[in-house]
Amino acid sequence: AQKVTQAQTEISVVEKEDVTLDCVYETRDTTYYLFWYKQPPSGELVFLIRRNSFDEQNEISGRYSWNFQKSTSSFNFTITASQVVDSAVYFCALSSSYNTDKLIFGTGTRLQVFP
Amino acid sequence: KAGVTQTPRYLIKTRGQQVTLSCSPISGHRSVSWYQQTPGQGLQFLFEYFSETQRNKGNFPGRFSGRQFSNSRSEMNVSTLELGDSALYLCASSFAGSGNTIYFGEGSWLTVV
Repeated sequence: AQKVTQAQTEISVVEKEDVTLDCVYETRDTTYYLFWYKQPPSGELVFLIRRNSFDEQNEISGRYSWNFQKSTSSFNFTITASQVVDSAVYFCALSSSYNTDKLIFGTGTRLQVFP
Repeated sequence: KAGVTQTPRYLIKTRGQQVTLSCSPISGHRSVSWYQQTPGQGLQFLFEYFSETQRNKGNFPGRFSGRQFSNSRSEMNVSTLELGDSALYLCASSFAGSGNTIYFGEGSWLTVV
């Protein structure tokens, strides 16, 4: 069975602090895909990144970076120099190679960035 | 390019009624999937359609159904509404290839009273 765990329910930081959101996944598939989405209060899930299981390179996009480690089944997300606009709920998700459009979501981490 | 569009955005229904939600995928996307989001259960997969055929189904009762049209637009229907069906219903679309990025709409907020 597939499962995604986001153990951090809520994180509060002050602007300009760095923050890391943890994501641990479980799957028996050798090929799978990992995603991060941001959900602002409006409700829309905003796509941030997709990573396949064969690509363990870390990725950086502006203030965002992702650390994928198959050895620990983790796909952590770091925001550097956080800003108030980063306040949202962040979801990590997993899909398999045979069910690529069926996402298994974690419970989400609510990030609050205070000025 | 337009994103995934869902209508209506907000609606209130009474127990026992039925509701139909609509989703227009990103142009060129052929796969449409639906998710239910509630505070208690989180984000749960409802079903996925590709080329007018249901390809995947989540663990929901038969009151939840959907369909996809030849232009890839999709609708989902919930019959005999229950209070517990109050949720944010999110539609997503993708090109339907292996590991394609899945884009979501803003969702339809359903309240059942």
